[in-house]
Parts: sequence; C-alpha cells; structure tokens
Amino acid sequence: GAVVSQHPSRVICKSGTSVKIECRSLDFQATTMFWYRQFPKQSLMLMATSNEGSKATYEQGVEKDKFLINHASLTLSTLTVTSAHPEDSSFYICSASGLSDNSPLHFGNGTRLTVT
Amino acid sequence: GQNIDQPTEMTATEGAIVQINCTYQTSGFNGLFWYQQHAGEAPTFLSYNVLDGLEEKGRFSSFLSRSKGYSYLLLKELQMKDSASYLCAVLDSNYQLIWGAGTKLIIKP
Repeated sequence: GAVVSQHPSRVICKSGTSVKIECRSLDFQATTMFWYRQFPKQSLMLMATSNEGSKATYEQGVEKDKFLINHASLTLSTLTVTSAHPEDSSFYICSASGLSDNSPLHFGNGTRLTVT
Repeated sequence: GQNIDQPTEMTATEGAIVQINCTYQTSGFNGLFWYQQHAGEAPTFLSYNVLDGLEEKGRFSSFLSRSKGYSYLLLKELQMKDSASYLCAVLDSNYQLIWGAGTKLIIKP
C-alpha cells in the first residue's frame, strides 16, 4: 500500500538553529501534501497545504517565514523550522494523497522536535 | 463554519463493544476517516467512508450517513491495546482534512 516516509523521527536542536523535516511519498505521486502540528493532549492542527511547484497555503496564525515549506517534486515536501524556539517543540506530521485514484490520506510517522 | 463533534472520553470493558459517534458540518464532503492514535505516536488509518452504509474490517466497523452528517466507529471484542484516542476527520471540498478533537477511549479489565 501507499507509504509516506517522514524523516527524522526525532530531533533535538538548540534555540536559534533551523531544522528541516522531510516528507516523501514512496510509491505514489502526491500533488498535495499537508503539514500538521500537534501539541500535547490536543488534536492535530493543520499548518499548511503544500502543492507541488507552487507556494504553500498557510493556515491563519501560522508564520510562513518561520515555517518554510518547499514542495519541489511530486514525491517530496520539506518543512523547515527556522530560528527555532522552545515553544516550537511539538510533534510535526505530514500527510499526502494520491488524488488521482481517490486514495485516502496517508500519514508519515511524525517528527518529535525538541528545542532546548 | 466547519465543525466536527465527537465525545471527549469514553470508557468500556475488555471484551465488550463500544460505539464512538461523530457528527460533522463541513463545506463539501470527499470522505470521512477514522484514525487511531496512541499517545506519542502519529495517527494510524482505520477506515475511510465516502458512501452511505457500513464498512466492516475485522473488529472495527465504520458507518456513514451523509444526509445526517453522521458517522460512527464500532469496536467489537475490545482489547486493552484498543485504549487510544480515536480521531474523526472529514475531507472537505478543497481536499483538506477537518479534524475532530478526538475521543479518548479507556478500556478497563
């Protein structure tokens, strides 16, 4: 079945540094990928929708200059958390859908980011 | 606005049956998903309904009524490992997932 690979699964970084998270669709082409963030004991919050070859669409309240999203190909989208702060510590999850075959969204395993 | 409602928490007994309800109001509808999420992990896909009716998959079944904006997830023969949060999510007309807040299911021996 369709698989979405997300890397890294865990990352610890110092405050002020940048962290890049990759999301790959392994056996299907994903024209659209979604990035979510989850705070403890809360539901997933959609951060942005990433369309291949165009700028991402950010949800209200999400800083586009802080959370840089690049969707350069049909199988890869990246989220870069720039100048990370401790409050950025969270669980980040990507998902992708092969819309042409009406398949459901497939999720990556998530990245737990800890900013010290 | 768009809204997904599901109970915050439910408790059930090992071996029993539990039904988790979800009601939704969204701009457009391209399917409804149920996901299971254990603490600290990403959600895992359970079911996808786009047509009315019941979809059965082992111990788990999912039902959809589009006219009523209603779905439920039915879990049979409950096991302790079924203790988790169950998320209802609707794919709207823009193919964005609208998430419910999740139902925490507690299984007691």
